[in-house]
Amino acid sequence: NAGVTQTPKFRVLKTGQSMTLLCAQDMNHEYMYWYRQDPGMGLRLIHYSVGEGTTAKGEVPDGYNVSRLKKQNFLLGLESAAPSQTSVYFCASSDLAGGPDTQYFGPGTRLTVL
Amino acid sequence: KQEVTQIPAALSVPEGENLVLNCSFTDSAIYNLQWFRQDPGKGLTSLLLIQSSQREQTSGRLNASLDKSSGRSTLYIAASQPGDSATYLCAALGGATNKLIFGTGTLLAVQP
Repeated sequence: NAGVTQTPKFRVLKTGQSMTLLCAQDMNHEYMYWYRQDPGMGLRLIHYSVGEGTTAKGEVPDGYNVSRLKKQNFLLGLESAAPSQTSVYFCASSDLAGGPDTQYFGPGTRLTVL
Repeated sequence: KQEVTQIPAALSVPEGENLVLNCSFTDSAIYNLQWFRQDPGKGLTSLLLIQSSQREQTSGRLNASLDKSSGRSTLYIAASQPGDSATYLCAALGGATNKLIFGTGTLLAVQP
């Protein structure tokens, strides 16, 4: 099993450009999450999904959109990138949100917005 | 609103020393408390998960404890090794929100 994979690993955007980050998991997990990690801020939840076709807002959703058309994929979109969105983005998945299972994380995408 | 704090922010110890990392949380209504390890430029790896009904969990040289009443968790690392050098993050899973709230981490350096 590959676990959780993220594409791309690195990206540089100009202000106003758009892009989509792809997260894929092969563990048949119901729950998927997008976090951003900034220095001194820890990881903060952007959006999450509790199953195929569902999405919900996390702690810092503004400026981002998500879609979960297939159970194994969770896409994070930036419609008009801003320098404040420079960050490292992590995707995670879990089988049950409140059960004994933990969240499994991807390797991250480092995004720079100029 | 749940807030998770980790002290110290950074720690440097000589190889072989036993050490304790601290995590505190403001809302005791948690479902579980998790400890993760993050290596530079990498994702997070789960180390230990303590359910709210448990007091501690052990894995090898690692032992994590949970005291819900005081809002504290500790990660004890025995006989530290240079390979233990990484950032350690704790996260509380809210019982009401089903969301993980992360601390800012402790950067550990084990000197050979």
